[in-house]
Amino acid sequence: EVQLVESGGGLVQPGRSMKLSCAASGFTFSNYGMAWVRQAPKKGLEWVAYISYDGGSTYYRDPVKGRFTISRDNAKSTLYLQMDSLRSEDTATYYCTTDRPFAYWGQGTLVTVSS
Amino acid sequence: DVVLTQTPVAQPVTLGDQASISCRSSQSLVHSNGNTYLEWYLQKPGQSPQLLIYKVSNRFSGVPDRFIGSGSGSDFTLKISRVEPEDLGVYYCFQATHDPYTFGAGTKLELK
Repeated sequence: EVQLVESGGGLVQPGRSMKLSCAASGFTFSNYGMAWVRQAPKKGLEWVAYISYDGGSTYYRDPVKGRFTISRDNAKSTLYLQMDSLRSEDTATYYCTTDRPFAYWGQGTLVTVSS
Repeated sequence: DVVLTQTPVAQPVTLGDQASISCRSSQSLVHSNGNTYLEWYLQKPGQSPQLLIYKVSNRFSGVPDRFIGSGSGSDFTLKISRVEPEDLGVYYCFQATHDPYTFGAGTKLELK
């Protein structure tokens, strides 16, 4: 059974950093591109970032470019999202998903950016 | 960025009825490789989104055949025949033809 389990969310002050993790199991992680999708409270879905199966290619939506870094450790079957210079508008539940299409999703981890 | 406009915003239904959701794109979603990367997701209350349809009309594994995706170019539709209680929630269309990838704002399927 495919499982994606996110962790690392919580309350963080504006301008600070946070690193999310997504532990994958039940499939050959190193064969799949992965993505992060977020959802602000009571809002819709927003694609954030993508990484290729081998980590060689990454893509980001403009508002997070230069602040967020997606990475992966295939030996540990784990996806990461390093988030720097956090802003209030980054407050959201962050989901990791297999890419593409987004066939499998984690349960999400809530990131709240507030002073 | 490509804008996906979903209508209606909310769709009240009676169980057993058919429901239809439209997704219109601000530009063609035909990729240079000939594929059209238009997907549909359902987010049930309190749950993570789940994939229903990919590349316009392909049902994901385990998705009942009462879910039918159709369309081309910039005009797409998701039809749900014989709505069941587990079909209620918010439906999102999504495009991955153009960077950045974008979601529609969602259509809430709810009971009348």
